[in-house]
Amino acid sequence: DAGVIQSPRHEVTEMGQEVTLRCKPISGHNSLFWYRQTMMRGLELLIYFNNNVPIDDSGMPEDRFSAKMPNASFSTLKIQPSEPRDSAVYFCASSLHGYTFGSGTRLTVV
Amino acid sequence: GQQVMQIPQYQHVQEGEDFTTYCNSSTTLSNIQWYKQRPGGHPVFLIQLVKSGEVKKQKRLTFQFGEAKKNSSLHITATQTTDVGTYFCAPGAGSYQLTFGKGTKLSVIP
Repeated sequence: DAGVIQSPRHEVTEMGQEVTLRCKPISGHNSLFWYRQTMMRGLELLIYFNNNVPIDDSGMPEDRFSAKMPNASFSTLKIQPSEPRDSAVYFCASSLHGYTFGSGTRLTVV
Repeated sequence: GQQVMQIPQYQHVQEGEDFTTYCNSSTTLSNIQWYKQRPGGHPVFLIQLVKSGEVKKQKRLTFQFGEAKKNSSLHITATQTTDVGTYFCAPGAGSYQLTFGKGTKLSVIP
């Protein structure tokens, strides 16, 4: 099993640009989560999907953030337009018993 | 969502010494999970506790869930340099873990 696969591993973009982060969960896991990690705020839940349906998006910072899960094997987190304060490591996790995290995407917005 | 306080925030120990981190909640938890994140890595699931007063062991790691299900602890006996990382607790409120604690960062001095 390849685990949860995230891409890209690193992303550097200019303020105002659109950023799309991608995640492939573990096959058979019906829950998918997007987290953001910063030194100041720790690990924050952004959105939770169950069976491809968004269940809890209360952690999505603002309208600039959107997430989709068109099928059981793929999810995206989009930021448009990006801002420097969005710089963080973004993790995707899928769950059966306990979360399995992907390696994360380190986003830097300059 | 469920909020927890993790203490201490940082802990420096000499190799061979014991280490304990605590996770405290003001409300009763349905379950609690523990994760370890190595520097530069992603959180890795360690264990889930569900029952009041539950104690589980994994080699040198002992996990405990309080009788009132409001607190939990992780104890490492005779730390090794491989134990270095940040340990997070994640309280459960039903079907998924809403939040993660801020974590305890463990440094082990060889």
